[in-house]
Amino acid sequence: SAVISQKPSRDICQRGTSLTIQCQVDSQVTMMFWYRQQPGQSLTLIATANQGSEATYESGFVIDKFPISRPNLTFSTLTVSNMSPEDSSIYLCSVGQSPTGGETQYFGPGTRLLVL
Amino acid sequence: QKEVEQNSGPLSVPEGAIASLNCTYSDRGSQSFFWYRQYSGKSPELIMFIYSNGDKEDGRFTAQLNKASQYVSLLIRDSQPSDSATYLCAVSPGYSSASKIIFGSGTRLSIRP
Repeated sequence: SAVISQKPSRDICQRGTSLTIQCQVDSQVTMMFWYRQQPGQSLTLIATANQGSEATYESGFVIDKFPISRPNLTFSTLTVSNMSPEDSSIYLCSVGQSPTGGETQYFGPGTRLLVL
Repeated sequence: QKEVEQNSGPLSVPEGAIASLNCTYSDRGSQSFFWYRQYSGKSPELIMFIYSNGDKEDGRFTAQLNKASQYVSLLIRDSQPSDSATYLCAVSPGYSSASKIIFGSGTRLSIRP
């Protein structure tokens, strides 16, 4: 499977500020996904990022709050804008792959965000 | 009704026994089914995927799918303390890597020595 890295691995931010999270993959992938995992909760899909087109956001998530870039087939960024303590969460990127013929998703290590 | 339902646990199983994790899903058109393992403080790790009715075995793990009952399970044989983690069931409407995956809330598994 692809090797996925994320930066930063963790951060503590003040409310009202913005943080950009980077996701880098060691091979070209068509689809990249951004998820949020709040403390003690499961994963919630924020948006799907396809290279060369606008990201597709899930219900409850908007571009003004979570702008996404996908400049090429190995990289994507997610910005968490105008942060509040409710944005404290783990943010994960994943990529779609089919290493054994089956299509699935693999996750990066995550970015742990604490908003004060 | 949640789209993917799992018992939150914790499920406690003695070392060496079989751990059985269950999951039901609401979308009858779902095509792809996954089990992820997540250790505390880590990101989810794919351990099994299954597309067809029946059983799929990989080492100590067996995934079982029953589309008529909309039911997916994961069996872990010869449970080890290292199997202690949260197991996430995930379901997708399609086969392609572009299909979004919907996750259950996870089952916490604890293997007691």
